[in-house]
Amino acid sequence: QVQLVQSGSELKKPGASVKVSCKASGYTFTSYAMNWVRQAPGQGLEWMGWINTNTGNPTYAQGFTGRFVFSLDTSVSTAYLQISSLKAEDTAVYYCARSIVVVVAATDYWGQGTLVTVSS
Amino acid sequence: QLVLTQSPSASASLGASVKLTCTLSSGHSSYAIAWHQQQPEKGPRYLMKLNSDGSHSKGDGIPDRFSGSSSGAERYLTISSLQSEDEADYYCQTWGTGMVFGGGTKLTVL
Repeated sequence: QVQLVQSGSELKKPGASVKVSCKASGYTFTSYAMNWVRQAPGQGLEWMGWINTNTGNPTYAQGFTGRFVFSLDTSVSTAYLQISSLKAEDTAVYYCARSIVVVVAATDYWGQGTLVTVSS
Repeated sequence: QLVLTQSPSASASLGASVKLTCTLSSGHSSYAIAWHQQQPEKGPRYLMKLNSDGSHSKGDGIPDRFSGSSSGAERYLTISSLQSEDEADYYCQTWGTGMVFGGGTKLTVL
């Protein structure tokens, strides 16, 4: 069965970096796009962008350029989200979510979420 | 601009039915959407993809109690025979060059 398993919670100081992983199983990794979604405490879902798992080309939503990097290691069917120069407002749960096709579309499977806490 | 609008809250009694609404912004009435459920302290769960003609395809294991329908720019999620575990936030989602989520509807089961 399809599974997206994310790395565990992180506690980071302002200015540090964090890398969240999302390991996929149960399907052909390169046949479906991977999206990243942020959920700040008590807030709704916010799309951060997506990565084409065929080409490795990332696309970032407005507000998620510069400090955010999507990457892949297709040899282990894993997508990564790296955030640099962390700020307190980056505190959130970050989800990976698979699109139903190879480009941006409905997301049919979600990771369990990774809580990133930024605090001094 | 592609925007999805949802009522912030809804409530219905145990065993009853409820219909949640997601409205597409002007000029986007032909867009498909997806519905997702987020139970308290859990990650989102895909319920279904809903097309403009009302046809829909549900995710794995989604009960028949969940159904979708469409009318113009409105997309609906109907939950029948409400159970306590249906108390959750419900988000609609759509996509074009990018992806957009509605603000979510918090459903309370009385």
